[in-house]
This record gives sequence, structure tokens and C-alpha cells, in this order.
Amino acid sequence: AQTVTQSQPEMSVQEAETVTLSCTYDTSESDYYLFWYKQPPSRQMILVIRQEAYKQQNATENRFSVNFQKAAKSFSLKISDSQLGDAAMYFCAYRSRNTDKLIFGTGTRLQVFP
Amino acid sequence: NAGVTQTPKFQVLKTGQSMTLQCAQDMNHEYMSWYRQDPGMGLRLIHYSVGAGITDQGEVPNGYNVSRSTTEDFPLRLLSAAPSQTSVYFCASSYTGPGGEQYFGPGTRLTVT
Repeated sequence: AQTVTQSQPEMSVQEAETVTLSCTYDTSESDYYLFWYKQPPSRQMILVIRQEAYKQQNATENRFSVNFQKAAKSFSLKISDSQLGDAAMYFCAYRSRNTDKLIFGTGTRLQVFP
Repeated sequence: NAGVTQTPKFQVLKTGQSMTLQCAQDMNHEYMSWYRQDPGMGLRLIHYSVGAGITDQGEVPNGYNVSRSTTEDFPLRLLSAAPSQTSVYFCASSYTGPGGEQYFGPGTRLTVT
């Protein structure tokens, strides 16, 4: 069975600085997708970025980028130029091509200080 | 498009009571799922469905039933509520296929006393 591990329960960053959130996963599959979701205090789950395992190029969405290391089974999220609105819980998730099920990590709470 | 809607937003139950959490989506998504979110444990999959008439168990199915009679609706039933089912429940939907973005409802906070 696949597992997703986020080893940082909490992180903090100063406004305008850069922060990296870690995620590792375990799978025997070669084809899958990885996601980062943001959950602000409103509780709404918002997709931040997605990465297909077969794509070598790291995904980027504006200030958000990932460092995808397939061999190491690592999928970290980098937030550049952090803003107060980035404060939230961030969840890493894995989705198998075979089952459609989405498996989440336990989350990292990000605080942003002015 | 309303997206994914969930009712109610909040609910308090007594131990042993039953209730149904409603979930509906208007995006014609084949895949729908229910998660529960507990502090320090992330979101855990309860049940999911890949189409009308097809459901399957996720990671934590005990104490919950589901059915999928239409593409739009995927209700979650608690047959006999227990304090261990106190949680926030999310419904989500997507097109089938792993690259599809899952769209989440706003969640239901359930307290069982």
C-alpha cells in the first residue's frame, strides 16, 4: 500500500522569504500523480500544484514550485516570496493511476510572520 | 456551477443516533469520495465511488455506509454514531483518471456526544 509522509508538523517563514515543505512517499508503482493541497482556516481544500510521475520537469505555478525526485520518492513544495495569505495547512497527496484513490499525508501547518 | 455541496455544515449527535451527510456535485464527475479529517492525521478515505451503482471501501470504512444511485449524489450514512466518529467530513469529486483534480466540498463538522 502507498503511504505519504510529511515530517514537519509546523513550519514558519517571514513575509517575502522562501520556505520549503517536505514530503516523501512510498510506492511500488511507476506511474502516478502527486499533489499539494492548501487548507486555510476556512477549511476549504484548494489545489496548489500537481506533478505527473512521468514528467521530468518540475511543476511550477507562479510562486509555488516543486522539487520532484522520483528515485528518492521525494516531493517538496517551495513557496517563494511568502505572503500572509499563504498561512495554512498544506497537505501532500498521492494518486495512483490504477485506483483513483487519493492518499494524504498528515499535513504541515505553515505560519507566515510579517 | 455550484461545484461540490455538502449539508449540513455542522451537526451534533448523541451516541447511537443515525444520520446522513449529503453530498452533491453538478460537474458530471464519475469519481466521488468521502474523507474524514482528524487533528494530526490528515484526510483519510472512508468510501469512494467510480460511478453510479459502484462503491468501494477506503481506509476507514467501519461505521459508515454509502450508496450511489445517481451521478450527482453520494450520501454518507452513520448507522449508530459513536464519539470516535467526531470529525470533519469532506466530500470530493473528480473525473476518473489520476491526473484529475479532486474538487472538495466545504466540509461538515460532526460532534458525537
